Amino acid sequence: EVQLVQSGAEVKKPGESLKISCKGSGYSFTSYWIGWVRQMPGKGLEWMGIIYPGDSDTRYSPSFQGQVTISADKSISTAYLQWSSLKASDTAMYYCARHQYWYFDLWGRGTLVTVSS
Amino acid sequence: EIVLTQSPGTLSLSPGERATLSCRASQSVSSSYLAWYQQKPGQAPRLLIYGASSRATGIPDRFSGSGSGTDFTLTISRLEPEDFAVYYCQQYGSSPAFTFGPGTKVDIK
Repeated sequence: EVQLVQSGAEVKKPGESLKISCKGSGYSFTSYWIGWVRQMPGKGLEWMGIIYPGDSDTRYSPSFQGQVTISADKSISTAYLQWSSLKASDTAMYYCARHQYWYFDLWGRGTLVTVSS
Repeated sequence: EIVLTQSPGTLSLSPGERATLSCRASQSVSSSYLAWYQQKPGQAPRLLIYGASSRATGIPDRFSGSGSGTDFTLTISRLEPEDFAVYYCQQYGSSPAFTFGPGTKVDIK
């Protein structure tokens, strides 16, 4: 089955670091870009950035550049989204999605990140 | 940055009715670069339409997309109970590479 499986929900304190994951299966993971999309509680979708696991070429939305780091380990078909110092405003659902041409055709179920003291 | 505006914000309709959702771009968008997604509560978005008018795999033919330039439309010909959800348009272009509209919620009247 073609799918993206995301890591489980996280509860963190402000200032802590975090790395969440997205594992692809059922397709050639290194042949498609993987994007990350944020959805804050009750809000819409925001594109954060994208990575090509084949060579780790990464692009960021200006809104998220410097705020997060996107990486990938092609040997285990996994992409990552990480924060070095979380803020309460990072509380959101984070989706990974496979990029096909100009759109996202396959989505993970999301990872809920809650940042609270 | 291309900004997408969706209208209406909420559309209240009954099952069996026709839904017409609008997505307007602040600058011209290539039709190839316009997509629509459906999101139900507690679920991830699902691709419905790509290239402005092509249905994604498994999407029923009651969903159709049209438009060009700055004005695009998603039409649901006859609403089924499972179609009540939030719909987002998305474009690919200059930085940021991908932007989403704010969404239209289709709810039961």
